[in-house]
Amino acid sequence: EPEVTQTPSHQVTQMGQEVILRCVPISNHLYFYWYRQILGQKVEFLVSFYNNEISEKSEIFDDQFSVERPDGSNFTLKIRSTKLEDSAMYFCASSEGLAGGSYNEQFFGPGTRLTVL
Amino acid sequence: GDSVTQMEGPVTLSEEAFLTINCTYTATGYPSLFWYVQYPGEGLQLLLKATKADDKGSNKGFEATYRKETTSFHLEKGSVQVSDSAVYFCALSALMDTGRRALTFGSGTRLQVQP
Repeated sequence: EPEVTQTPSHQVTQMGQEVILRCVPISNHLYFYWYRQILGQKVEFLVSFYNNEISEKSEIFDDQFSVERPDGSNFTLKIRSTKLEDSAMYFCASSEGLAGGSYNEQFFGPGTRLTVL
Repeated sequence: GDSVTQMEGPVTLSEEAFLTINCTYTATGYPSLFWYVQYPGEGLQLLLKATKADDKGSNKGFEATYRKETTSFHLEKGSVQVSDSAVYFCALSALMDTGRRALTFGSGTRLQVQP
């Protein structure tokens, strides 16, 4: 069964360093998403991506964040200069169609736990 | 903005007990509602969904009914098993400023089922 994969499963970094979290969405999906969950808090929407551009982003997704689809399979989230408060579990997801539409099931990866020291 | 509130965990039950996990929401318009489940070491999986008022989503013995009058989408199961131990997330397709929707989640409820 097709699945979304994410690497690494756990990333430890120093404050101020750049990190890139990687995701491989399901191959025939068109919409891609990043969410995060700070420990003990809600899963929060960060950004959605379609047709090689950002289609939605939340207020959390500031200039420190960027997303890219560098090739036909990977979807990455970059944090330019990490802060302590960026420590969280980051989930990638993909869907055939846009959330809320007819094909609105989002398939999630297992997550990357980011720890900023 | 749109939001989801679900009961805090952990919820600890014995096998074959009845399960209810409460979920209420606030939303603009008519969102779709979802329950996702996360088993240890795995990603979020869609458990069930409902797209309009009075719809009942069901899967694997779990059920939830979209109640517009009480803005609720409580998850129930008549007889839980040890294999149901996981974290359960209530979610809705929230309306963004652009008029499009994105998923917004509750904080998750951990269920522990003891043999």
